[in-house]
Amino acid sequence: DAGVTQSPTHLIKTRGQQVTLRCSPKSGHDTVSWYQQALGQGPQFIFQYYEEEERQRGNFPDRFSGHQFPNYSSELNVNALLLGDSALYLCASSDLGTGGWAYGYTFGSGTRLTVV
Amino acid sequence: SQQGEEDPQALSIQEGENATMNCSYKTSINNLQWYRQNSGRGLVHLILIRSNEREKHSGRLRVTLDTSKKSSSLLITASRAADTASYFCATDANRANDMRFGAGTRLTVKP
Repeated sequence: DAGVTQSPTHLIKTRGQQVTLRCSPKSGHDTVSWYQQALGQGPQFIFQYYEEEERQRGNFPDRFSGHQFPNYSSELNVNALLLGDSALYLCASSDLGTGGWAYGYTFGSGTRLTVV
Repeated sequence: SQQGEEDPQALSIQEGENATMNCSYKTSINNLQWYRQNSGRGLVHLILIRSNEREKHSGRLRVTLDTSKKSSSLLITASRAADTASYFCATDANRANDMRFGAGTRLTVKP
């Protein structure tokens, strides 16, 4: 049973560019949440998707946007990259229908984004 | 914004000793969870405790929750070098269906 799959694992982008990160949730999970983790910090909640709609959003600017597809996979898009966007981006999935996060999220290994 | 704060920020102990990490949070919650992260990889779910529970055990892990003080603690008994990792608490801030993490405790267990 595959867990959460994220791609790519590493990415280097230039300031001002745009980036798309991808996530496939664990089989049976229908909810995807994205987190940004700067070096030495805890994960910061970006947003959560369920039924192809954004349900919750953290304190991130509109440069951060997302999408969820009918197969529950998700994309995170970041426009006009800043040096401060360099971080580990984590995707986590859960099954909202059986209680969602109350049973624990399954995390992917993350995408390490470096903006130069 | 972060919901929880772990204490201490870093902890170094010898193998076989117990490790205690604390977490404080700000708003009411339904549940509190503890996660572990090795070297900047993905987080692994360790244990969940509900707001109406006071203590929970899982193997060498013991978690307590004091909702009146808005705090929780994670105890790892008989620690091993393989327990070296960062540990985070997570809460459903304002009872929303998403998780908010603290800054974590970095635990080093020396062999």
